[in-house]
Amino acid sequence: AQKITQTQPGMFVQEKEAVTLDCTYDTSDQSYGLFWYKQPSSGEMIFLIYQGSYDEQNATEGRYSLNFQKARKSANLVISASQLGDSAMYFCAMREGWSSYKLIFGSGTRLLVRP
Amino acid sequence: GAGVSQSPSNKVTEKGKDVELRCDPISGHTALYWYRQRLGQGLEFLIYFQGNSAPDKSGLPSDRFSAERTGESVSTLTIQRTQQEDSAVYLCASSLLGGSTDTQYFGPGTRLTVL
Repeated sequence: AQKITQTQPGMFVQEKEAVTLDCTYDTSDQSYGLFWYKQPSSGEMIFLIYQGSYDEQNATEGRYSLNFQKARKSANLVISASQLGDSAMYFCAMREGWSSYKLIFGSGTRLLVRP
Repeated sequence: GAGVSQSPSNKVTEKGKDVELRCDPISGHTALYWYRQRLGQGLEFLIYFQGNSAPDKSGLPSDRFSAERTGESVSTLTIQRTQQEDSAVYLCASSLLGGSTDTQYFGPGTRLTVL
């Protein structure tokens, strides 16, 4: 079974609008971490936001917020006020367990922001 | 400070040749990771170094792949007798401590093409 599922291979959003990128995960661990990375066409992976499984508040970083629904095992990324520079691949990743360090990545969502 | 750097940025080689990929982690980061990203896919974990501990090589796809790290500095990923299926982007990341909540910061990657 897929550990991280991103069901949207591609998304469009109009500049200045908000967009939600979906991510569901599968784990039996109680302790885990969820990450979102952005990969522009240059190829570099840029860390955006982190959510720990015990964090009660949804994580926010500037225009990025993580809609964490633990019971549903979903960790959707919300980008508010989209900008042209947000056009990129977005990857959801998970780290399982307190001692784990491997990141398990989803297949990614390509976001295109239209002017 | 400087981020993770990798060299070369691009490498084209012939099938059967050996290649070496280099990673310079962020200064002071004790943990270093190698990932592989095939075209249109998410990242696959290859190997993890943490300080002077024995590396976790569980993600290496075959015995043609090996990696070394000297102390808490540079790491080299070596692929022997390259095959066409080794064509991918190889990404290196580093983190401060290697713990479960530690954020991994990625380099720009090395794009390997095996003809």
